Amino acid sequence: GENVEQHPSTLSVQEGDSAVIKCTYSDSASNYFPWYKQELGKGPQLIIDIRSNVGEKKDQRIAVTLNKTAKHFSLHITETQPEDSAVYFCAVHSGYALNFGKGTSLLVTP
Amino acid sequence: DAGITQSPRYKITETGRQVTLMCHQTWSHSYMFWYRQDLGHGLRLIYYSAAADITDKGEVPDGYVVSRSKTENFPLTLESATRSQTSVYFCASSDKRLTDTQYFGPGTRLTVL
Repeated sequence: GENVEQHPSTLSVQEGDSAVIKCTYSDSASNYFPWYKQELGKGPQLIIDIRSNVGEKKDQRIAVTLNKTAKHFSLHITETQPEDSAVYFCAVHSGYALNFGKGTSLLVTP
Repeated sequence: DAGITQSPRYKITETGRQVTLMCHQTWSHSYMFWYRQDLGHGLRLIYYSAAADITDKGEVPDGYVVSRSKTENFPLTLESATRSQTSVYFCASSDKRLTDTQYFGPGTRLTVL
C-alpha cells in the first residue's frame, strides 16, 4: 500500500513553543490528508484534514500545509499547551484505505 | 449519543481459541473499519466494509474474519488466536465516503497467551 513516512517519532517542546510534524507519501494520486490525535488509552481523533486542492488550512492553533509536488504535508501546532501532549498520526487516503504514519509522540512540558 | 463502542475493552485468551471483538455504531454510517495498532507499526487496516453484506480485505487480513449483517455492527473474529495477534484493536466508521472523517472507537486490548 501507500508508503507514509512520519517524522520525528518523538518531540519534546516547552509550553508556548511551536511544534511541527512532517509526513511524506509516495502515491501522487492521493487526495486526502487527515491528522489524528491519540491520547493515552483512547482511540485516535481527527483534529484537522486537508484535501489536495488546498495548500494550507488553519483551525485556531493548528494548521496543516500540503505540498503536492514534493509529496509532503506538515502539522503545525502553535502556542503549545500541556494538553497537546499525545501521539499524533498523519494519514493519506489512497485507493480504498487510509494509510497511517507510525506516529509522533509529542510532550509539552510546562 | 453513544457514537461508536467496542466490547470487550480488555480480553485475555489462549493460543488456538476463537475470539470475537464487537463494534457497534449509532450513526448509521456506511463504512466501518477494523485496525490493529502495534508499537512500531502504527495503525494497520485489517478489514473494511462499505455497507451491510459488503466487506473487503485490508493490509493485514490473515487470521481474521468479519461479517456485517446489520449496518450498525461489524464484529471481528480471530478464528484461532495466535500470539502475534496480541494487539490493540480499533474499530472506526465513516459516513458515506472513504474520505469522510473516520471516527474511532475506544479500542480493545487483546492479549493472546
